[in-house]
Amino acid sequence: DTAVSQTPKYLVTQMGNDKSIKCEQNLGHDTMYWYKQDSKKFLKIMFSYNNKELIINETVPNRFSPKSPDKAHLNLHINSLELGDSAVYFCASSQDRWTKNTGELFFGEGSRLTVL
Amino acid sequence: DQQVKQNSPSLSVQEGRISILNCDYTNSMFDYFLWYKKYPAEGPTFLISISSIKDKNEDGRFTVFLNKSAKHLSLHIVPSQPGDSAVYFCAASPPLSNAGNMLTFGGGTRLMVKP
Repeated sequence: DTAVSQTPKYLVTQMGNDKSIKCEQNLGHDTMYWYKQDSKKFLKIMFSYNNKELIINETVPNRFSPKSPDKAHLNLHINSLELGDSAVYFCASSQDRWTKNTGELFFGEGSRLTVL
Repeated sequence: DQQVKQNSPSLSVQEGRISILNCDYTNSMFDYFLWYKKYPAEGPTFLISISSIKDKNEDGRFTVFLNKSAKHLSLHIVPSQPGDSAVYFCAASPPLSNAGNMLTFGGGTRLMVKP
């Protein structure tokens, strides 16, 4: 039973299209995140939501719009896709935003987006 | 400007020997450090962590050392096993704020343990 699941795992699309990636966690966590792993393999935080409320937006273009219908879901919608958006996007969750215990970030398997 | 760096993109070690993965950071505000392990087509999974008030934390075959003056940490795996072959990410966290636990990751080191 996957704790943090993302769909789709692979996404190939044309420039200019709009696409969404969905994320769900069944851990009962309050905080969810989107990270982007770029071509240089660095994982960089994009967004953080706590109980459906946006708490971090790390200089991400407006074309990226996260949506959290409830605290178990954090979806990522991308408008007008560009070549540079090609990356692996990881969803993650943590118990809450104040916990700093060991291993508190649980990651999904990643969604590889390729923009042609 | 990468605040967390892993300067060795890959490391090859013989089974049974020690693996040492290194990580450097520049932000002196970081007070908590973690290592994550990632297999292909999977998300990173937590391995071990250390608070800045400590200089060593051990968990079975895995030990993390922190040298705050040098802003350097290392992960030791001994003995190394073929199943340890994966990409290892170092991550650092500043003091908690209203924004939550913002981890900054290094670029990863691919460890290959040869049988």
